[in-house]
Amino acid sequence: TQLLEQSPQFLSIQEGENLTVYCNSSSVFSSLQWYRQEPGEGPVLLVTVVTGGEVKKLKRLTFQFGDARKDSSLHITAAQPGDTGLYLCAGVQGTYKYIFGTGTRLKVLA
Amino acid sequence: DVKVTQSSRYLVKRTGEKVFLECVQDMDHENMFWYRQDPGLGLRLIYFSYDVKMKEKGDIPEGYSVSREKKERFSLILESASTNQTSMYLCASGRGYTFGSGTRLTVV
Repeated sequence: TQLLEQSPQFLSIQEGENLTVYCNSSSVFSSLQWYRQEPGEGPVLLVTVVTGGEVKKLKRLTFQFGDARKDSSLHITAAQPGDTGLYLCAGVQGTYKYIFGTGTRLKVLA
Repeated sequence: DVKVTQSSRYLVKRTGEKVFLECVQDMDHENMFWYRQDPGLGLRLIYFSYDVKMKEKGDIPEGYSVSREKKERFSLILESASTNQTSMYLCASGRGYTFGSGTRLTVV
């Protein structure tokens, strides 16, 4: 099964710090999605990026799609404890094929 | 808001039992999906359906079957549960996926 590589796998930071999570693949995607999953719950869609080079902002979260549409990054500014969770990227190929990343588990300490 | 409801949050079943996991969505989505989530392996697609009575195999269909008799309901069936099917099962619908809360299945 093809997977997207996410890095880092684990991240523990203090409240107020900045961080970046990376999602890399050798495959091209028509779009890429980011999800956040909290313990015991299903993933929740945060954003979809479609165009190469696209940047989207969601409050303190900035998402970028690589120019070649093979990779993406998620940057969080001034992290808060409420940002704690598992972050998943998912590359979309065609109509039904979603390839999920291995996940980045973030813990923000107060 | 779109809601995807999975019938059970936690299940414990015995090896060899037939297990039914139910998923219902309330937004008239055509596409519905079943994934399992395991540490280090990410989410893996088991089956999906793009219409009533239509189903397609995903990446890991062995040991599973599905049923979609009504548009809003997509069922995952473990024909004869085995311990290696212990996992978190997630149902999703739509294209920008809406996931259910998951069913944590333990097979003993």
